[in-house]
Amino acid sequence: KQEVTQIPAALSVPEGENLVLNCSFTDSAIYNLQWFRQDPGKGLTSLLLIQSSQREQTSGRLNASLDKSSGRSTLYIAASQPGDSATYLCAVPQGAQKLVFGQGTRLTINP
Amino acid sequence: GAVVSQHPSRVICKSGTSVKIECRSLDFQATTMFWYRQFPKQSLMLMATSNEGSKATYEQGVEKDKFLINHASLTLSTLTVTSAHPEDSSFYICSARDLAVNTGELFFGEGSRLTVL
Repeated sequence: KQEVTQIPAALSVPEGENLVLNCSFTDSAIYNLQWFRQDPGKGLTSLLLIQSSQREQTSGRLNASLDKSSGRSTLYIAASQPGDSATYLCAVPQGAQKLVFGQGTRLTINP
Repeated sequence: GAVVSQHPSRVICKSGTSVKIECRSLDFQATTMFWYRQFPKQSLMLMATSNEGSKATYEQGVEKDKFLINHASLTLSTLTVTSAHPEDSSFYICSARDLAVNTGELFFGEGSRLTVL
């Protein structure tokens, strides 16, 4: 059974700092890994999808890496802004369809 | 990215009534949609997988007679919470994959907050 853990559970940093969010998973036989953002009371916005054959993906100030063998992924956010404040979730497939989510990291960027 | 829309975004109902939530893929087709439930400050838990033209597959512990799922077309799945009770109050989110794009990326709706009085 796949289990996903995200550390830290909450993070508060000053605006402008670079930061790293961590995600680990127990079963390394994954097809892909997806990072999402969730604002309070809202649905999920897909940020980055990394296929199992890839080591990293970049979108703007976001960079996600994947190390399947060690069961880890990181989400790097450069030059953080107050608008980046949200909960960040990582998820991996279990089987062909089902996504298993981590508990999320609640990020606060202080102006 | 692909757009998934849910309606209503918020609903308040009396205990014992039924509530229907719609999930639509606006610019793509999806043979499979997924229904998740999220309690406050917790992560998402998969409730069921909705399959177009056939019965939904429910996760262990989810009552299929209470949470009725219908997936009548390639762009619409509905979740009906029957005889709702206060403990059913939660945030329900649907998701779908684009059939035409084989990346495995999952897109989520905006969520529907159900409050049962």
